[in-house]
Amino acid sequence: SQQGEEDPQALSIQEGENATMNCSYKTSINNLQWYRQNSGRGLVHLILIRSNEREKHSGRLRVTLDTSKKSSSLLITASRAADTASYFCATYNQAGTALIFGKGTTLSVSS
Amino acid sequence: DAGITQSPRHKVTETGTPVTLRCHQTENHRYMYWYRQDPGHGLRLIHYSYGVKDTDKGEVSDGYSVSRSKTEDFLLTLESATSSQTSVYFCAISVQEQGGGYTFGSGTRLTVV
Repeated sequence: SQQGEEDPQALSIQEGENATMNCSYKTSINNLQWYRQNSGRGLVHLILIRSNEREKHSGRLRVTLDTSKKSSSLLITASRAADTASYFCATYNQAGTALIFGKGTTLSVSS
Repeated sequence: DAGITQSPRHKVTETGTPVTLRCHQTENHRYMYWYRQDPGHGLRLIHYSYGVKDTDKGEVSDGYSVSRSKTEDFLLTLESATSSQTSVYFCAISVQEQGGGYTFGSGTRLTVV
């Protein structure tokens, strides 16, 4: 069963706008990760945030983590057409042996 | 993707036939994973391996078996393919000993007719 669930399922914005997608999870975590998947390709690891971190930045990406609410958000600033992709959050299963992925948010950025 | 390749990239097979998908890594990582991706379900874990001859089941392991006789190769076998196994299959490696991020292969699109 899914550990994380992304919201919204789909998001359409214009170039230059910011895109925010959210992830909720069910059990305690050591870290939470975000991945991007371009159409027809494998997933690419974007960023990892540890349970003792509240915010992390990487280029135009900003990830926040609220362990009290069991939620995370991924913000992409100044979106570009090349950001069009599906974005997934992932956390480790209870045994800590494998990542469990949400169903993803499909982001469409139009120029 | 650097260091991890999947073969074949595409395959069409008939119901009831055996199919083996291969995942090959060049970076000597211990942990390897097989996922399937289907619309509406996201990625679901099939099997994973934590070393040569050490494997374990994931969420959707029924109908699948795996083998890892060498560190670099992780094979996924559908003993008797069914239409419900039509999917895109992804292999991944953990770039750290547990707890880190994954590097994914480019996927195998399998169609069972």
